[in-house]
Amino acid sequence: EAGVTQFPSHSVIEKGQTVTLRCDPISGHDNLYWYRRVMGKEIKFLLHFVKESKQDESGMPNNRFLAERTGGTYSTLKVQPAELEDSGVYFCASSQDSGQGEQFFGPGTRLTVL
Amino acid sequence: RKEVEQDPGPFNVPEGATVAFNCTYSNSASQSFFWYRQDCRKEPKLLMSVYSSGNEDGRFTAQLNRASQYISLLIRDSKLSDSATYLCVVDSNSGYALNFGKGTSLLVTP
Repeated sequence: EAGVTQFPSHSVIEKGQTVTLRCDPISGHDNLYWYRRVMGKEIKFLLHFVKESKQDESGMPNNRFLAERTGGTYSTLKVQPAELEDSGVYFCASSQDSGQGEQFFGPGTRLTVL
Repeated sequence: RKEVEQDPGPFNVPEGATVAFNCTYSNSASQSFFWYRQDCRKEPKLLMSVYSSGNEDGRFTAQLNRASQYISLLIRDSKLSDSATYLCVVDSNSGYALNFGKGTSLLVTP
């Protein structure tokens, strides 16, 4: 069974540009999560989808970040315009059940904003 | 105060040694507790869930003390392949978002 996949694996952009990250969850997983790790910090929750609905986006840093999950399958996370402090590794995870269900993580997208 | 605190290490131990990691969490209402393992530049992977009664999986033993809000992981007979960062993870108030510690780095040497 294929795991969670993310694209691209790396992205280097300049401040002010736009970047879109993509996540394909494990097939059949209704729950999709975005997390971020900035250098020197712990992994932090950004938001949670159940199918196509945003269940909780309390972790989103600001309105430069927009996440979508049209059709309840893959998800995109757009950063526009990117700032230096947005650099980090963006992980996507999916789970069959929310709550205590195991979350399976993708390999992450390493974003560098110059 | 951080949600989850861990000693960052690094812990350098010889093969065959026993090593213990500790973690504290701040939210007394948390219900789910985990240890994740993360290899360098890879994604976190679930190592084991942690239950109040304590649980064991081969060389790995996890313990939870709810009164002290303290979680531990014991690794016996360390292998070179155990070298990784071990993340203490606790659920949030919402029950689905996970709160991560910064991780404890382990290096097992020959």
